[in-house]
Amino acid sequence: AQSVTQLGSHVSVSEGALVLLRCNYSSSVPPYLFWYVQYPNQGLQLLLKYTSAATLVKGINGFEAEFKKSETSFHLTKPSAHMSDAAEYFCAVLQGGKLIFGQGTELSVKP
Amino acid sequence: GAVVSQHPSWVICKSGTSVKIECRSLDFQATTMFWYRQFPKQSLMLMATSNEGSKATYEQGVEKDKFLINHASLTLSTLTVTSAHPEDSSFYICSAFTYQETQYFGPGTRLLVL
Repeated sequence: AQSVTQLGSHVSVSEGALVLLRCNYSSSVPPYLFWYVQYPNQGLQLLLKYTSAATLVKGINGFEAEFKKSETSFHLTKPSAHMSDAAEYFCAVLQGGKLIFGQGTELSVKP
Repeated sequence: GAVVSQHPSWVICKSGTSVKIECRSLDFQATTMFWYRQFPKQSLMLMATSNEGSKATYEQGVEKDKFLINHASLTLSTLTVTSAHPEDSSFYICSAFTYQETQYFGPGTRLLVL
């Protein structure tokens, strides 16, 4: 069975600093990988997805993620954090038509 | 992107009553929808897979008689929490699966059972 591990339940950065949220997956076959963002009391919004095309995937709101097969990673980055980026971020892998989620990483942005 | 709505956005009910939550795909047809439950500060827990025109498939440990799912059309799935109790209080989120191997999520429904 596939699984997803998000390293760090909470990440804090200063406004304007680099955002790096880590995600590692376990899969014996090329996976479909996703990053979602959840603002308080809201559903999940798709940030970006990897579907075995380009390894560097660009998403909305300036986020991007790089698929590294050798490291089984799909880390999410943003060059410059904004206060509005404060939210919960979930990495997920598609398995059998179902999404398997990581435990989530809460991003805080300090002014 | 695809839009999924949920109604109601929040509901308060008395213990023992039943509550129905609707999930609609607004601009696309979804043969498959999913229902999740989320506890505070936790990830999403898949409850069941809803397929249009057939019975829902429940995850292990989810009581199918308590959480009734009906996927009557290609744009609507409903979750009914029967005889709700305080322990059923939670944030319920639905998603709809598109042909692009992507799930789009609704805004969620917060249920509080008194």
